[in-house]
Amino acid sequence: DAMVIQNPRYQVTQFGKPVTLSCSQTLNHNVMYWYQQKSSQAPKLLFHYYDKDFNNEADTPDNFQSRRPNTSFCFLDIRSPGLGDAAMYLCATSSLYQETQYFGPGTRLLVL
Amino acid sequence: AQKITQTQPGMFVQEKEAVTLDCTYDTSDQSYGLFWYKQPSSGEMIFLIYQGSYDEQNATEGRYSLNFQKARKSANLVISASQLGDSAMYFCAMREGRSAGNKLTFGGGTRVLVKP
Repeated sequence: DAMVIQNPRYQVTQFGKPVTLSCSQTLNHNVMYWYQQKSSQAPKLLFHYYDKDFNNEADTPDNFQSRRPNTSFCFLDIRSPGLGDAAMYLCATSSLYQETQYFGPGTRLLVL
Repeated sequence: AQKITQTQPGMFVQEKEAVTLDCTYDTSDQSYGLFWYKQPSSGEMIFLIYQGSYDEQNATEGRYSLNFQKARKSANLVISASQLGDSAMYFCAMREGRSAGNKLTFGGGTRVLVKP
């Protein structure tokens, strides 16, 4: 089945230690998104890629970076995680012709 | 001002009964899309139903229907014949504009607990 896959499902990192979360898709969608969702809150968009074009949200901290080496994969890099970065990170995809965003299962990040 | 408002933070519903989740939105765009997602405790956001601003008929997907009242800017989700597996957080979201990559703005969510 076509799907959005996120690895790992749970990630524990130390304060200040760089961490990378990954997302892959078999839907061949043009657009990939990264959302941050803190406990009991709505998801908040960090950035998205339209093909290779990177689009950063104005309030996304510089500590968050992203890479999209090809259509299928997208990575979220947190350069120096702080305690406030503990959250669920959701990857989503959509296509040019169908605007519905399809989400992966998410990665829960814990910062110690 | 909030663009998507869900006024019910939580609600109980009896199994097999219908439940309506409220969602109001605010936009000046003529073209927009409205979505409902379900988020169980596992965390995955599951797409339920979509309504385009130009769609004249209310969207339906199985037990889910969207009561779209454009003039009132509301897009309520109706779940018929509730099941225990419907217990989850439900988010209403809006996409403004028509370009690929337009972001979704989410409401604060409504937590639904289905009682046996």
